[in-house]
Amino acid sequence: GESVGLHLPTLSVQEGDNSIINCAYSNSASDYFIWYKQESGKGPQFIIDIRSNMDKRQGQRVTVLLNKTVKHLSLQIAATQPGDSAVYFCAAAGGTSYGKLTFGQGTILTVHP
Amino acid sequence: DTAVSQTPKYLVTQMGNDKSIKCEQNLGHDTMYWYKQDSKKFLKIMFSYNNKELIINETVPNRFSPKSPDKAHLNLHINSLELGDSAVYFCASSPDSGAKGSEQYFGPGTRLTVT
Repeated sequence: GESVGLHLPTLSVQEGDNSIINCAYSNSASDYFIWYKQESGKGPQFIIDIRSNMDKRQGQRVTVLLNKTVKHLSLQIAATQPGDSAVYFCAAAGGTSYGKLTFGQGTILTVHP
Repeated sequence: DTAVSQTPKYLVTQMGNDKSIKCEQNLGHDTMYWYKQDSKKFLKIMFSYNNKELIINETVPNRFSPKSPDKAHLNLHINSLELGDSAVYFCASSPDSGAKGSEQYFGPGTRLTVT
């Protein structure tokens, strides 16, 4: 089965620094990956996604890198702001059931002013 | 303007009771989901419906019964509530059955506390 995990459960950075959140997945059949941000008391909010035919995708201040060889993906946030403080989840899907997203355990990002 | 809404936001009830959580999406999506988030923030899918048909049914006690009266609504009924059911329950929707892999839009969550 699929399992998706994160290397670091917590990350503290200073405002303006770049942040990198890592994620590992176990199912080599996974070919769709997505990052969510969850603020306290709210539902997960989409940040960026990537398919397995790509190894990098950029959004506004965010970049997702995918390394299929080692089944690892990362989320890079440039010029981190206090408003970026939240729990970040990676999720993976693929194989016979794309709709079934398997979530990682989450990383708590704290940005200090 | 709310895309995915859930009611109630908070639900406190006693063991053994039966309760329901309602979910509605106004995005015109075909697929809706229920997730459970435990105290350690772990999110796990419970059910998924596509056009009112059940397509994902994870290993969930049969005390949990989803019902989809139409593709814009997916309700979750829980019988004989137990202490371990305490969690935050999220509804989500996506524009297709997920066949191509697509973003799921989450509701604000319902915090269920069983005493």
